[in-house]
Amino acid sequence: EPEVTQTPSHQVTQMGQEVILRCVPISNHLYFYWYRQILGQKVEFLVSFYNNEISEKSEIFDDQFSVERPDGSNFTLKIRSTKLEDSAMYFCASSEGVRGLETQYFGPGTRLLVL
Amino acid sequence: AQSVAQPEDQVNVAEGNPLTVKCTYSVSGNPYLFWYVQYPNRGLQFLLKYITGDNLVKGSYGFEAEFNKSQTSFHLKKPSALVSDSALYFCAVRDPSGGSYIPTFGRGTSLIVHP
Repeated sequence: EPEVTQTPSHQVTQMGQEVILRCVPISNHLYFYWYRQILGQKVEFLVSFYNNEISEKSEIFDDQFSVERPDGSNFTLKIRSTKLEDSAMYFCASSEGVRGLETQYFGPGTRLLVL
Repeated sequence: AQSVAQPEDQVNVAEGNPLTVKCTYSVSGNPYLFWYVQYPNRGLQFLLKYITGDNLVKGSYGFEAEFNKSQTSFHLKKPSALVSDSALYFCAVRDPSGGSYIPTFGRGTSLIVHP
Protein backbone atom coordinates (compact mmCIF):
# COMPACT_ATOMS: atom_id res chain seq x y z
CA GLU A 1 0.00 0.00 0.00
CA PRO A 2 1.41 3.40 -0.91
CA GLU A 3 2.54 5.55 2.01
CA VAL A 4 3.53 9.08 2.76
CA THR A 5 7.13 9.21 3.94
CA GLN A 6 8.90 11.90 5.94
CA THR A 7 12.52 12.65 6.71
CA PRO A 8 14.13 13.06 9.11
CA SER A 9 12.23 11.23 11.81
CA HIS A 10 13.86 13.43 14.46
CA GLN A 11 15.60 16.78 14.24
CA VAL A 12 17.30 18.78 16.95
CA THR A 13 18.26 22.35 16.17
CA GLN A 14 19.34 25.53 17.89
CA MET A 15 16.98 28.47 18.19
CA GLY A 16 17.34 30.78 15.22
CA GLN A 17 18.50 28.09 12.84
CA GLU A 18 16.71 27.13 9.66
CA VAL A 19 15.21 23.67 9.28
CA ILE A 20 13.76 21.90 6.29
CA LEU A 21 11.37 19.02 6.81
CA ARG A 22 10.87 16.73 3.87
CA CYS A 23 7.93 14.67 2.70
CA VAL A 24 7.20 12.39 -0.20
CA PRO A 25 3.42 12.30 -0.76
CA ILE A 26 1.61 9.41 -2.40
CA SER A 27 2.45 9.58 -6.07
CA ASN A 28 -0.98 10.13 -7.63
CA HIS A 29 -2.14 12.59 -4.99
CA LEU A 30 -2.51 16.22 -5.93
CA TYR A 31 -3.09 17.93 -2.58
CA PHE A 32 -0.55 18.21 0.16
CA TYR A 33 -0.71 19.38 3.75
CA TRP A 34 1.40 20.11 6.77
CA TYR A 35 0.11 19.75 10.29
CA ARG A 36 1.83 19.98 13.64
CA GLN A 37 1.18 18.62 17.08
CA ILE A 38 2.75 20.16 20.12
CA LEU A 39 3.17 17.52 22.81
CA GLY A 40 -0.15 16.76 24.46
CA GLN A 41 -2.08 19.18 22.32
CA LYS A 42 -4.30 19.08 19.24
CA VAL A 43 -3.20 18.27 15.73
CA GLU A 44 -3.11 21.74 14.14
CA PHE A 45 -3.36 22.57 10.47
CA LEU A 46 -0.55 24.65 9.03
CA VAL A 47 -0.93 24.79 5.25
CA SER A 48 -2.35 23.07 2.19
CA PHE A 49 -0.79 23.12 -1.24
CA TYR A 50 -2.09 22.41 -4.72
CA ASN A 51 -0.82 23.08 -8.19
CA ASN A 52 2.37 24.63 -6.89
CA GLU A 53 0.72 27.17 -4.69
CA ILE A 54 -0.70 27.50 -1.21
CA SER A 55 -4.44 26.79 -1.08
CA GLU A 56 -5.08 27.54 2.57
CA LYS A 57 -2.99 28.43 5.57
CA SER A 58 -3.63 28.91 9.23
CA GLU A 59 -2.61 31.79 11.45
CA ILE A 60 0.28 29.64 12.68
CA PHE A 61 1.80 29.67 9.18
CA ASP A 62 3.48 33.06 9.36
CA ASP A 63 6.39 34.50 7.40
CA GLN A 64 8.81 32.17 9.14
CA PHE A 65 7.27 29.22 7.34
CA SER A 66 7.36 28.33 3.67
CA VAL A 67 6.51 25.30 1.58
CA GLU A 68 7.83 24.10 -1.70
CA ARG A 69 7.49 21.27 -4.16
CA PRO A 70 11.01 21.37 -5.58
CA ASP A 71 10.53 18.40 -7.88
CA GLY A 72 7.88 15.89 -8.85
CA SER A 73 8.01 13.93 -5.64
CA ASN A 74 9.16 15.99 -2.66
CA PHE A 75 7.15 18.45 -0.59
CA THR A 76 9.08 20.50 1.96
CA LEU A 77 8.34 22.69 4.94
CA LYS A 78 10.97 25.29 5.81
CA ILE A 79 11.15 27.15 9.08
CA ARG A 80 13.53 30.07 8.54
CA SER A 81 14.44 30.98 12.10
CA THR A 82 13.25 28.42 14.59
CA LYS A 83 11.81 29.39 17.95
CA LEU A 84 11.49 27.27 21.08
CA GLU A 85 7.74 27.09 20.55
CA ASP A 86 8.24 25.46 17.15
CA SER A 87 9.15 22.25 18.96
CA ALA A 88 6.49 19.78 17.90
CA MET A 89 5.72 16.76 15.77
CA TYR A 90 5.20 17.82 12.17
CA PHE A 91 3.00 15.67 9.95
CA CYS A 92 2.79 15.75 6.20
CA ALA A 93 -0.37 14.47 4.50
CA SER A 94 -1.70 14.08 0.98
CA SER A 95 -5.03 13.43 -0.66
CA GLU A 96 -6.39 12.81 -4.12
CA GLY A 97 -8.86 15.66 -3.87
CA VAL A 98 -9.66 18.53 -1.58
CA ARG A 99 -13.43 18.74 -1.38
CA GLY A 100 -13.13 17.96 2.30
CA LEU A 101 -14.46 14.45 2.14
CA GLU A 102 -11.43 12.81 0.62
CA THR A 103 -9.27 10.85 3.02
CA GLN A 104 -5.99 12.43 3.97
CA TYR A 105 -3.05 10.04 4.25
CA PHE A 106 -0.48 11.00 6.84
CA GLY A 107 3.22 10.37 7.12
CA PRO A 108 4.88 9.15 10.33
CA GLY A 109 5.96 12.64 11.32
CA THR A 110 9.16 14.50 12.10
CA ARG A 111 9.78 15.32 15.73
CA LEU A 112 11.44 18.73 15.89
CA LEU A 113 13.16 19.88 19.04
CA VAL A 114 14.39 23.47 19.21
CA LEU A 115 16.93 24.18 21.95
CA ALA B 1 -16.68 27.77 13.03
CA GLN B 2 -16.02 24.08 13.43
CA SER B 3 -14.69 22.40 16.54
CA VAL B 4 -14.34 18.95 17.98
CA ALA B 5 -13.85 17.66 21.49
CA GLN B 6 -12.54 14.38 22.78
CA PRO B 7 -13.47 14.54 26.45
CA GLU B 8 -11.26 11.67 27.60
CA ASP B 9 -7.48 11.82 27.51
CA GLN B 10 -7.29 8.10 28.16
CA VAL B 11 -9.61 5.12 27.97
CA ASN B 12 -8.76 1.82 29.63
CA VAL B 13 -10.52 -1.39 28.70
CA ALA B 14 -9.89 -5.09 29.19
CA GLU B 15 -9.25 -7.26 26.16
CA GLY B 16 -12.47 -8.79 24.89
CA ASN B 17 -14.67 -6.04 26.33
CA PRO B 18 -16.45 -3.47 24.19
CA LEU B 19 -14.75 -0.11 23.83
CA THR B 20 -16.02 3.40 23.19
CA VAL B 21 -13.94 6.46 22.43
CA LYS B 22 -16.00 9.63 22.61
CA CYS B 23 -16.13 12.56 20.22
CA THR B 24 -18.45 15.55 20.10
CA TYR B 25 -18.45 18.27 17.52
CA SER B 26 -19.76 21.73 16.77
CA VAL B 27 -20.56 22.97 13.26
CA SER B 28 -23.14 25.27 11.79
CA GLY B 29 -24.31 22.82 9.14
CA ASN B 30 -24.11 19.08 8.56
CA PRO B 31 -20.67 17.74 9.42
CA TYR B 32 -18.15 15.55 7.72
CA LEU B 33 -16.64 13.42 10.50
CA PHE B 34 -13.49 11.31 10.56
CA TRP B 35 -11.64 8.97 12.88
CA TYR B 36 -7.90 8.36 12.64
CA VAL B 37 -5.62 6.10 14.67
CA GLN B 38 -1.96 6.67 15.44
CA TYR B 39 0.27 3.80 16.48
CA PRO B 40 3.64 4.56 18.09
CA ASN B 41 6.13 6.08 15.65
CA ARG B 42 3.59 6.00 12.84
CA GLY B 43 1.49 8.63 11.12
CA LEU B 44 -2.25 9.01 11.51
CA GLN B 45 -4.11 6.22 9.73
CA PHE B 46 -7.64 6.66 8.45
CA LEU B 47 -10.25 4.45 10.16
CA LEU B 48 -13.63 5.65 8.94
CA LYS B 49 -15.67 8.66 7.96
CA TYR B 50 -19.23 9.90 7.90
CA ILE B 51 -20.28 12.10 5.02
CA THR B 52 -23.95 11.32 4.57
CA GLY B 53 -26.38 8.39 4.69
CA ASP B 54 -26.49 5.64 7.29
CA ASN B 55 -25.66 6.94 10.75
CA LEU B 56 -23.68 3.80 11.57
CA VAL B 57 -20.39 3.77 9.75
CA LYS B 58 -18.16 0.72 9.62
CA GLY B 59 -14.43 1.07 9.17
CA SER B 60 -11.10 -0.68 9.36
CA TYR B 61 -10.05 -3.23 11.99
CA GLY B 62 -13.64 -3.88 13.15
CA PHE B 63 -14.27 -0.33 14.31
CA GLU B 64 -17.52 1.50 13.79
CA ALA B 65 -18.90 4.88 14.71
CA GLU B 66 -22.38 6.24 15.10
CA PHE B 67 -23.32 9.71 13.97
CA ASN B 68 -25.85 11.20 16.39
CA LYS B 69 -27.03 14.59 15.18
CA SER B 70 -29.16 15.40 18.22
CA GLN B 71 -26.25 14.79 20.58
CA THR B 72 -23.66 16.14 18.11
CA SER B 73 -21.57 13.06 18.71
CA PHE B 74 -19.58 10.60 16.66
CA HIS B 75 -18.34 8.00 19.15
CA LEU B 76 -15.98 5.29 18.01
CA LYS B 77 -16.85 1.76 19.06
CA LYS B 78 -15.67 -1.79 18.81
CA PRO B 79 -17.53 -4.81 20.20
CA SER B 80 -14.45 -6.67 21.42
CA ALA B 81 -11.18 -4.88 22.10
CA LEU B 82 -7.77 -6.30 21.26
CA VAL B 83 -4.47 -5.47 22.92
CA SER B 84 -3.27 -4.42 19.48
CA ASP B 85 -5.95 -1.70 19.41
CA SER B 86 -3.91 0.22 21.98
CA ALA B 87 -3.07 3.49 20.24
CA LEU B 88 -3.94 7.18 20.03
CA TYR B 89 -7.29 7.95 18.39
CA PHE B 90 -8.17 11.26 16.76
CA CYS B 91 -11.58 12.53 15.80
CA ALA B 92 -11.84 15.25 13.13
CA VAL B 93 -14.68 17.36 11.77
CA ARG B 94 -15.22 19.54 8.75
CA ASP B 95 -18.13 21.88 8.20
CA PRO B 96 -18.89 21.76 4.45
CA SER B 97 -20.86 24.99 4.74
CA GLY B 98 -17.73 26.77 5.90
CA GLY B 99 -15.13 28.27 3.63
CA SER B 100 -12.33 25.85 4.44
CA TYR B 101 -11.64 22.39 3.11
CA ILE B 102 -9.51 21.57 6.13
CA PRO B 103 -10.76 19.39 9.01
CA THR B 104 -10.26 20.29 12.65
CA PHE B 105 -8.73 17.56 14.78
CA GLY B 106 -9.31 16.77 18.40
CA ARG B 107 -6.55 16.36 20.98
CA GLY B 108 -6.61 12.61 20.75
CA THR B 109 -7.60 9.87 23.17
CA SER B 110 -5.13 7.25 24.27
CA LEU B 111 -6.75 3.82 24.26
CA ILE B 112 -5.11 1.21 26.46
CA VAL B 113 -6.35 -2.35 26.17
CA HIS B 114 -5.21 -4.58 29.01
CA PRO B 115 -4.63 -8.31 28.49
